[in-house]
Amino acid sequence: ETGVTQTPRHLVMGMTNKKSLKCEQHLGHNAMYWYKQSAKKPLELMFVYSLEERVENNSVPSRFSPECPNSSHLFLHLHTLQPEDSALYLCASSQGSALDETTIYFGEGSWLTVV
Amino acid sequence: GQNIDQPTEMTATEGAIVQINCTYQTSGFNGLFWYQQHAGEAPTFLSYNVLDGLEEKGRFSSFLSRSKGYSYLLLKELQMKDSASYLCAVRVRFSGGYNKLIFGAGTRLAVHP
Repeated sequence: ETGVTQTPRHLVMGMTNKKSLKCEQHLGHNAMYWYKQSAKKPLELMFVYSLEERVENNSVPSRFSPECPNSSHLFLHLHTLQPEDSALYLCASSQGSALDETTIYFGEGSWLTVV
Repeated sequence: GQNIDQPTEMTATEGAIVQINCTYQTSGFNGLFWYQQHAGEAPTFLSYNVLDGLEEKGRFSSFLSRSKGYSYLLLKELQMKDSASYLCAVRVRFSGGYNKLIFGAGTRLAVHP
């Protein structure tokens, strides 16, 4: 139990589907993140939210759409994805705002396969 | 640009000591982290250095030299359960004064009996 819960753990979707990944943190943090982890590549930061406001979008394609309705929940909405988007998507959270984080805590990840 | 380098793979023997190196060239350095990630699991925090020197935490130690852009993670008395990927990450400031972590590709460590 990491304090950061992601669902679903595994998702297979077609290129024309619309699906969403969900993240919930139980740590009282108010900064949340989406990272993408592809095989043999570094973890890539996709989105950062601090106090429910998006503070960075690392030039992520518009087929990925984040939503942060409150400080405990984060979604990643997926539509018209490509096979190269298949990866492990990790949600993370940190204490305080992203200004003062000392460390971030990761969820178990959602394995996404696009067919 | 931001660049973090670490070896792709390492092997070691149970009970031995292993050192995993990390070099970085980043702008706005604000701390260096090491994470452990077992296959199919979330990365878990191991250590954090913001000042030069050695931080020791049980069997794990991490060293930082900011002038050299260099860090290492030292694992002592290796156990089979230490077989995992070890991720080096640099915290940098970006616009608005926020911090973010930039990760290396990770070092996959295999511990053999």
